[in-house]
Amino acid sequence: DAKTTQPNSMESNEEEPVHLPCNHSTISGTDYIHWYRQLPSQGPEYVIHGLTSNVNNRMASLAIAEDRKSSTLILHRATLRDAAVYYCILRRLIQGAQKLVFGQGTRLTINP
Amino acid sequence: EAGVTQFPSHSVIEKGQTVTLRCDPISGHDNLYWYRRVMGKEIKFLLHFVKESKQDESGMPNNRFLAERTGGTYSTLKVQPAELEDSGVYFCASSHLLAGAYNEQFFGPGTRLTVL
Repeated sequence: DAKTTQPNSMESNEEEPVHLPCNHSTISGTDYIHWYRQLPSQGPEYVIHGLTSNVNNRMASLAIAEDRKSSTLILHRATLRDAAVYYCILRRLIQGAQKLVFGQGTRLTINP
Repeated sequence: EAGVTQFPSHSVIEKGQTVTLRCDPISGHDNLYWYRRVMGKEIKFLLHFVKESKQDESGMPNNRFLAERTGGTYSTLKVQPAELEDSGVYFCASSHLLAGAYNEQFFGPGTRLTVL
């Protein structure tokens, strides 16, 4: 699985936007970019995924660079409940190859 | 709809003992995965079931770990005998089986295993 690089930690203020970067310079054409997050004392949860185009859902937006070598997860108005470790994961859609490969992730702290 | 459930939430055992962790996936999910995070490390994949069959067990650390999914419903992960380095949080996840399409994995809250 291709490797991703994320900052170890980031800090933001409540109700402000947060931009979480992820570098994936070795991404292949068939790799999807996924984001999961892990809230304290919980299992990871899916946030969003994309291939080439920017994506929006109720939780966040995903902005993908034109060369696909980087992406940014955008939380439009952070709340205290968004404090979590955010994981950027590449997944190749091969029949049967469904495991997630987690890196260290970015620990996001939200200040009141 | 009930989420993925895991039992027990915590387990404290002594080195050499046996522990069995249980995972109940979301109803109708054919894919079931086990992951674990040991202290200070990243979350690591252990194995993947499709229904009752082991699709990928490349992450299983050694033969002290045995996973089963009889009948393709719930799964158990047995550690026998447990060693100190087995301490960590064991997560179970499940997803639909959709050929050729992405399917989100739903995680349980994890079982925290402490081996003394």
